[in-house]
Amino acid sequence: QSALTQPPSVSAAPGQKVTISCSGSSSNIGNNYVSWFQQVPGTAPKLLIYDNDQRPSGIPDRFSGSKSGTSATLGITGLQTGDEADYYCATWDGSLSAAVFGGGTKLTVL
Amino acid sequence: EVQLVESGGGLVQPGGSLRLSCAASGFTLSNYGMHWVRQAPGKGLVWVSGINADGSRINYADSVKGRFTISRENAKDTLYLQMNSLRAEDTAVYYCAREFRSGIWGQGTMVTVSS
Repeated sequence: QSALTQPPSVSAAPGQKVTISCSGSSSNIGNNYVSWFQQVPGTAPKLLIYDNDQRPSGIPDRFSGSKSGTSATLGITGLQTGDEADYYCATWDGSLSAAVFGGGTKLTVL
Repeated sequence: EVQLVESGGGLVQPGGSLRLSCAASGFTLSNYGMHWVRQAPGKGLVWVSGINADGSRINYADSVKGRFTISRENAKDTLYLQMNSLRAEDTAVYYCAREFRSGIWGQGTMVTVSS
């Protein structure tokens, strides 16, 4: 069982908006930065968001991140079929002295 | 080009050992903390181990503590993961990654533990 909880799946139509939640605790999300990764099966993860809400260069502003208390959220607007992938949140857990990932959320663009 | 390339994966019997390598290019490894992350077939990402830039701080997931050893040879711009007492549940693609906020990951190397 992951220290971070994500919904197993979300879905929305092309052009719509979707949010993916990541719930943790004070030992992880509550006191550390959150990163979000996109992974197409068979490929390495790709960084979408770092430090809670920062986008690396090359990541479109359709992708956004936020954090409140012990939860974080990834938002994707203007959904495209190419956004179909698995999405993971990650952060450091001070109690475990370990990095932790969420269980992953599969996004389906209907 | 900034790049990480893993090697050393393969098929090994339960109880056996493997050493994974992660070669860095396009940047100076000694400036960055590094991680190993694994992904079992059809499963999610799981952090395995991390090491800070100068190697003075090392952490492991409970599932590999005492069996795996992370190390780095900055002069060779290479990160390692020595894996001993391997179990079937260690079967996974193993990725090396630079500090997560950098977004630099290798392509992964497959480790299969099976008799």
